[in-house]
Amino acid sequence: NAGVTQTPKFQVLKTGQSMTLQCAQDMNHEYMSWYRQDPGMGLRLIHYSVGAGITDQGEVPNGYNVSRSTTEDFPLRLLSAAPSQTSVYFCASSYSRHRSYNEQFFGPGTRLTVL
Amino acid sequence: LAKTTQPISMDSYEGQEVNITCSHNNIATNDYITWYQQFPSQGPRFIIQGYKTKVTNEVASLFIPADRKSSTLSLPRVSLSDTAVYYCLVGPDNDYKLSFGAGTTVTVRA
Repeated sequence: NAGVTQTPKFQVLKTGQSMTLQCAQDMNHEYMSWYRQDPGMGLRLIHYSVGAGITDQGEVPNGYNVSRSTTEDFPLRLLSAAPSQTSVYFCASSYSRHRSYNEQFFGPGTRLTVL
Repeated sequence: LAKTTQPISMDSYEGQEVNITCSHNNIATNDYITWYQQFPSQGPRFIIQGYKTKVTNEVASLFIPADRKSSTLSLPRVSLSDTAVYYCLVGPDNDYKLSFGAGTTVTVRA
């Protein structure tokens, strides 16, 4: 199993540009989520999904869109990038018949800089 | 969600035991206590989860007193590679919105 994969690892955008951060998992997990982590801070939940076709907002959803067309993929779209979105973005997945939602598996992260 | 309080940082030396206490005075009956570890430039990694008394795995032990208003993560005989940020999370086992605070930065020195 590759676990949770994220692409790209690094990205630099100009203000106003849009882009999609990719996230995929091969563990057949129902739950997937996106977090952002700013320097010296904990993780803040952006959006999450409890299954294909079902998404909901987290703590800081403004400026981001998500969709979940398959169990495996959960892309995060930045609609119009702003310098305040400079951060490290982590995707996570969890829950199968033998695991709880609380035991999340995280990807390696995408480091995004918006100029 | 129950609010948690944990120390901002802790220093230790190789071979020592590190104990990190997390306070969660408003913990609810159906809340579990979960700990994560995060190394620099990596995503967090699940360490351990418990509800009451003591839980032990190959990485750590989790001690939870009867009133469950606090919990202590114990890392036995730490090494330099245990330098990381440790997060305490409290919420139901089926919580979709786990909240990560600032965590405790543990620095292990030679």
